Amino acid sequence: QVQLQESGPGLVKPSQTLSLTCTVSGASVNSGDYYWTWIRQPPGKGLEWIGHIHYSDNFDYNPSLKSRLTILKDTSKNQFSLKLTSVTAADSAVYYCATSYSSWFDPWGQGTLVTVSS
Amino acid sequence: DIQMTQSPSSLSASVGDRVTITCRASQSINRYLNWYQQKPGKAPKVLIHAASSLQSGVPSRFSGSGSGTDFTLTISSLQPEDFATYYCQQSYNTPITFGQGTRLESK
Repeated sequence: QVQLQESGPGLVKPSQTLSLTCTVSGASVNSGDYYWTWIRQPPGKGLEWIGHIHYSDNFDYNPSLKSRLTILKDTSKNQFSLKLTSVTAADSAVYYCATSYSSWFDPWGQGTLVTVSS
Repeated sequence: DIQMTQSPSSLSASVGDRVTITCRASQSINRYLNWYQQKPGKAPKVLIHAASSLQSGVPSRFSGSGSGTDFTLTISSLQPEDFATYYCQQSYNTPITFGQGTRLESK
């Protein structure tokens, strides 16, 4: 079955770039009708959809983050990634990668906590 | 953006109780509504998709209903492992949005 694992720094300084990678096993990021997705959850708060990239390279971003966000696929490593520039404390959250074959998210990665602090 | 509003925000109940959580969309989303369960420190897990379809492996005490703007998640007989936070999510269009969550606690 499909499994996802996030990786990346747990601490990022304000104004810098947050970079995370999601490694996929059990499926190819370059085939199938999957949407490879990032979702975040600030501590103690609800879930926010960040954006996704389709196997066809079409992508869609949350308008609230669009100016700072890039989601890419690396087919050679079977990974997809997130880059969020000019971060502030408001970007501190648990970041999840997930996939959507139909309209729901399943499976999810375990999540990785990113703290923005100097 | 489509706003998703859950009620109540928190709920106290006992094992064996029947529990209902409501989710309302700010515009019609047909049946593009999914429900998730999240336990502390864990990723959300899908329970119901397309408003009323039970995800494989999810106990049959969970059920979903609704269409258009109003949806419900029902737990027919609450079990100890069901104390968690529940989220609805619309997949009708992007940006995909979630409800604010309903925290289900033990009475």
